Amino acid sequence: GAVVSQHPSRVICKSGTSVKIECRSLDFQATTMFWYRQFPKQSLMLMATSNEGSKATYEQGVEKDKFLINHASLTLSTLTVTSAHPEDSSFYICSASLDRTGYTFGSGTRLTVV
Amino acid sequence: KQEVTQIPAALSVPEGENLVLNCSFTDSAIYNLQWFRQDPGKGLTSLLLIQSSQREQTSGRLNASLDKSSGRSTLYIAASQPGDSATYLCAVITAGGSEKLVFGKGTKLTVNP
Repeated sequence: GAVVSQHPSRVICKSGTSVKIECRSLDFQATTMFWYRQFPKQSLMLMATSNEGSKATYEQGVEKDKFLINHASLTLSTLTVTSAHPEDSSFYICSASLDRTGYTFGSGTRLTVV
Repeated sequence: KQEVTQIPAALSVPEGENLVLNCSFTDSAIYNLQWFRQDPGKGLTSLLLIQSSQREQTSGRLNASLDKSSGRSTLYIAASQPGDSATYLCAVITAGGSEKLVFGKGTKLTVNP
């Protein structure tokens, strides 16, 4: 079945630094990947849709200059949280779909900004 | 705008009990509906996917039904086990071109031994 690998699983960084999170589709090519953010005890909030070879599409209210998304290949999308601040601390999850018949999610990244 | 609601928000049952989780959505024009499981601090695991033309899907002790016209889906878990304890999320893709999943807030299930 479709497998999505996400790294790192946990990261702690200092305020003002940048953090990169990788999302890879291991056994299929994903032209579209999705990045979500999840606050404690809340559901997933879609941040952006990552399209291979083109600019990401951001949801309303998501700062594209703070959350940089790059989808350089059919198997890799990266999310970079730039100049991170404590309020950016959250759980970030990516997903990909082989086609629209179902979505596979990564294992998530717990970001803590201190 | 599609909205997904899950009831109840939390559920605690003794081991062995059969249970039903509910999901409703406001726009019945969906492409498919998917049930996921999320363990604390983990990503999502897909449980069942129901296409808009289907009425139900089964996998082991899990059965999901879909009534698209009324905007409802149920996830039935038979003979619940402590290992079933997790948060269960329902998500839909609305027909019309967008691939976006719209999630409910989930039902946190606790199965007590």
